[in-house]
Amino acid sequence: DAGVTQSPTHLIKTRGQQVTLRCSPKSGHDTVSWYQQALGQGPQFIFQYYEEEERQRGNFPDRFSGHQFPNYSSELNVNALLLGDSALYLCASSFSGDRAFGQGTRLTVV
Amino acid sequence: GENVEQHPSTLSVQEGDSAVIKCTYSDSASNYFPWYKQELGKRPQLIIDIRSNVGEKKDQRIAVTLNKTAKHFSLHITETQPEDSAVYFCAAVVSGGSNYKLTFGKGTLLTVNP
Repeated sequence: DAGVTQSPTHLIKTRGQQVTLRCSPKSGHDTVSWYQQALGQGPQFIFQYYEEEERQRGNFPDRFSGHQFPNYSSELNVNALLLGDSALYLCASSFSGDRAFGQGTRLTVV
Repeated sequence: GENVEQHPSTLSVQEGDSAVIKCTYSDSASNYFPWYKQELGKRPQLIIDIRSNVGEKKDQRIAVTLNKTAKHFSLHITETQPEDSAVYFCAAVVSGGSNYKLTFGKGTLLTVNP
């Protein structure tokens, strides 16, 4: 079992660009949540997907959107990137209380 | 929404000493409290958790206590070792159904000096 996998591991984008991050959940997990972790901070909840629908959303603007596919994998899209979007983006999958994090995607906006 | 406060932000101890990290939460509906260890550049790893129907839980050198009335919970690490050096995060969850949203504290950088 490969656990939760995220791609890419690192990414550099320019302000104003758009980015897509990907997450494959741990085998048997059906719920995917995304978190943003700025340097020196705790992870902040962005949103959660279950049954291909956004079920909960944190305090993030509409520039942040997502998708979940029938195989439970998920994408996080960020439009009109700002310098402040630079962070580690963590994906967490879960099922019935079991939760696991991916290794994250380090996004740098320049 | 839920708010989790974590103290201290940094903690330095000598190898073999104990370390204590404290968190408070605001939402009385929170019923699950995990603790994560995150090494530099790595993913958060669950080290111990506690549910609201339990006051204390122990796993070898690590223990967690929960005071529901005061809405605070603490992580205790005994006989610290250099490999315990990392950032530790507490979190709170209102667990139920498909609700798996974690609200994290800001983290504690623990340094264990040999």
